[in-house]
Amino acid sequence: HVQLQESGPGLVEPSETLSLTCTVSGDSISRDYWNWIRQSPSKGLEWIGRISMGVRPTYNPSLKSRVTVSLDTSKNEFSLTLNSVTAADAAVYYCARRRTRSGSDFFDVWGKGTSVTVSS
Amino acid sequence: DVQMTQTPPSLSASVGDTITITCRASQSISIYLNWYQQKPGRAPELLIYAAVHLQSGVPSRFSGSGSGTDFALTITSLQPEDYATYYCQQSYGIPRTFGQGTKVDLK
Repeated sequence: HVQLQESGPGLVEPSETLSLTCTVSGDSISRDYWNWIRQSPSKGLEWIGRISMGVRPTYNPSLKSRVTVSLDTSKNEFSLTLNSVTAADAAVYYCARRRTRSGSDFFDVWGKGTSVTVSS
Repeated sequence: DVQMTQTPPSLSASVGDTITITCRASQSISIYLNWYQQKPGRAPELLIYAAVHLQSGVPSRFSGSGSGTDFALTITSLQPEDYATYYCQQSYGIPRTFGQGTKVDLK
């Protein structure tokens, strides 16, 4: 049974850096693609980026200049770093596994999400 | 970016009703369209992938159709546990994008 769990600070000050970690159990992060997705009332569901072992990460162009996604295979977890946050970055952040079938890909397992507030 | 437009934004229906939610892509995305269900305070859950394929464990009253730019999610004989918000998502281009959601509530 695959489970993903996000962790990180729930409050970040404006202009600071948001850092979140997703711990994966029941699967190895050495395979598949691992994603970050966020959800806010203003923007809805927004895909942030993905990473897979041995493959350069792919990012949403709208966030590319501020975001980094990385893997830590020793801990079976992956991380999100978002620089220079503003109020527009306040959201529930989800990590999710991508799977491929019938020639298409989809997010089949999601974490429960972690809420991030941006405020001083 | 591929823009995904869902209609209607919300709908009210009764238990036992059959409902259809539509999703239109701003360009052809072949069959690369997925549907998710989200309940309040929870993460989205995959229902349908590649436009028509039912995810394992999802009841057969859910079905998907379409290709190209126009897609639909149909729920036959709506059940109480189906009251939720539904999202489409394209897996054709980068960035992956979602529709704005369709909230289904009790009539």
